[in-house]
Amino acid sequence: AQKITQTQPGMFVQEKEAVTLDCTYDTSDQSYGLFWYKQPSSGEMIFLIYQGSYDEQNATEGRYSLNFQKARKSANLVISASQLGDSAMYFCAMKPYNAGNMLTFGGGTRLMVKP
Amino acid sequence: ETGVTQTPRHLVMGMTNKKSLKCEQHLGHNAMYWYKQSAKKPLELMFVYNFKEQTENNSVPSRFSPECPNSSHLFLHLHTLQPEDSALYLCASSGTGLAVEQYFGPGTRLTVT
Repeated sequence: AQKITQTQPGMFVQEKEAVTLDCTYDTSDQSYGLFWYKQPSSGEMIFLIYQGSYDEQNATEGRYSLNFQKARKSANLVISASQLGDSAMYFCAMKPYNAGNMLTFGGGTRLMVKP
Repeated sequence: ETGVTQTPRHLVMGMTNKKSLKCEQHLGHNAMYWYKQSAKKPLELMFVYNFKEQTENNSVPSRFSPECPNSSHLFLHLHTLQPEDSALYLCASSGTGLAVEQYFGPGTRLTVT
């Protein structure tokens, strides 16, 4: 079974600064995918970024980048130049290659951006 | 409409009522999902449908009954619910493959009284 741990229940960041949201995972699978989602107060989960376990480079999508350290089983999300609209819940999720379409989610981190 | 839509957005029901949640996706995906999100708990996968066939039932009580009449529509039929079933119910859809993300609807906020 897979387990995703997000140790920061809540975080503050000053507007325009960078912030790192932690995610560690536990799996015996060698091939898997890692995802980050954002959930604003409206409720909808918004896909942000994907990292494959065999990808040699860290994924980047605009202001989002993923600090992937396979040996440590960590996949931290880095948000650069924080904006007020970044205030939301952030979820890390994992899908092993042999798990079909099943995603396992972490407990989430609430990010609050201060003006 | 585009993306994944869910109706109703909010629902209040008594424990003896029967209601249904509806999800529709306009993305041409083959897989659809129901998730439950309770306060202070990780997102819980309830059901997975691939090509209209149920492939996962994550030990969900029988008072929740899914239905997938076609690859674009997914229902969750509710009957004799308990107050602890109050939660945000999220629908998602995706293609198939390791690198494909799931697209989520806005959710239905369910309150059982």
